[in-house]
Amino acid sequence: AQKVTQAQTEISVVEKEDVTLDCVYETRDTTYYLFWYKQPPSGELVFLIRRNSFDEQNEISGRYSWNFQKSTSSFNFTITASQVVDSAVYFCALKSVIQGAQKLVFGQGTRLTINP
Amino acid sequence: NAGVTQTPKFRVLKTGQSMTLLCAQDMNHEYMYWYRQDPGMGLRLIHYSVGEGTTAKGEVPDGYNVSRLKKQNFLLGLESAAPSQTSVYFCASSLRLAGLTDTQYFGPGTRLTVL
Repeated sequence: AQKVTQAQTEISVVEKEDVTLDCVYETRDTTYYLFWYKQPPSGELVFLIRRNSFDEQNEISGRYSWNFQKSTSSFNFTITASQVVDSAVYFCALKSVIQGAQKLVFGQGTRLTINP
Repeated sequence: NAGVTQTPKFRVLKTGQSMTLLCAQDMNHEYMYWYRQDPGMGLRLIHYSVGEGTTAKGEVPDGYNVSRLKKQNFLLGLESAAPSQTSVYFCASSLRLAGLTDTQYFGPGTRLTVL
């Protein structure tokens, strides 16, 4: 079964601290994609990153970085020097083929609060 | 480009009433999806469509129907609303690309309350 687990329901840190959001996934597929989405208080879902199962290189984009490790089935997201604007709910998602169709399975989300 | 838009943004229904949520995309995407978001449960797929005139069930399809008469529109219908359908509904769309490389882009959501 395809499953994504974000064990951290809520995280609260003080501005400028680094914070890591955990994501663990389960799949039997050899080809799959992993995603992170951000949902700010305004409610929309914003795409952050996509990573395929064959590319284990870490990715850095400004203050954001992602660590993909197939050996532990994890795709963790780190925000460096956090800012209040980073406060949001963050979703990790897994895409694979389920019953012949491509489907995106979401984790439960982690609510991140950055305090000034 | 407006991207993915949803109508309405908010709606309150009484149990047993019906309504239709409209999703529109101007990106010429083949695939479209309807999700619901409930507290502590992430997003769950209700129905999806891989092209005009085709629809398929997702993870939680019961109580909902969909139609894709035009490529740019995907309608979600509730024939007889129930309080359990109180949720935030998101529409998404994506291109049909080789393998699994497409990224889903989401609309702003519709907050539905069923009393």
